[in-house]
Amino acid sequence: DARVTQTPRDKVTEMGQEVTMRCQPILGHNTVFWYRQTMMQGLELLAYFRNRAPLDDSGMPKDRFSAEMPDATLATLKIQPSEPRDSAVYFCASGLALAGYPYFGPGTRLTVL
Amino acid sequence: RKEVEQDPGPFNVPEGATVAFNCTYSNSASQSFFWYRQDCRKEPKLLMSVYSSGNEDGRFTAQLNRASQYISLLIRDSKLSDSATYLCVVNGFGGATNKLIFGTGTLLAVQP
Repeated sequence: DARVTQTPRDKVTEMGQEVTMRCQPILGHNTVFWYRQTMMQGLELLAYFRNRAPLDDSGMPKDRFSAEMPDATLATLKIQPSEPRDSAVYFCASGLALAGYPYFGPGTRLTVL
Repeated sequence: RKEVEQDPGPFNVPEGATVAFNCTYSNSASQSFFWYRQDCRKEPKLLMSVYSSGNEDGRFTAQLNRASQYISLLIRDSKLSDSATYLCVVNGFGGATNKLIFGTGTLLAVQP
């Protein structure tokens, strides 16, 4: 049963620290998404990639967030420096471009103190 | 206007009831539509795709109205296990076929 995996599952850090979240998409999937979920805003699209190339990162605060896919099996989302308002659940999702819908990982619950 | 809008609920219904959710979207060029389900503290999971002709999967029926730019989800004979947040998803914003935008979700609570 193929699944998207994310690490860490939970992260508590202090304001100003760097946070790196990792995602392993389902093997063979060519589209990868990063979403952030909060009670107030719901699921917000931060960035997405197709065939490892970034297609849209307009949802990301550029000054502190960066998303990359060093290879087809790894996607990363970094926040530097982190701020309390970044506290949220960050989901990675992967899918096939033709199918249109992604499968979500379990999420990383980030708390910035 | 938000790109995808849903009534947040909660919808409190008794077991066995029929309940319907609507979702409106702003991009008339959108081509793909989905409903996801999210349980508390879990990830969203695909419930069903929404086709132009409408589609049914057991107790669940999804419909698309392009003229009015909304999609709907009907749940018949509600079960306690249907209690969750239902998220409407629409693609195609900014000309990007894979750019999926989620609604904020509608909370359903099925009561015994």
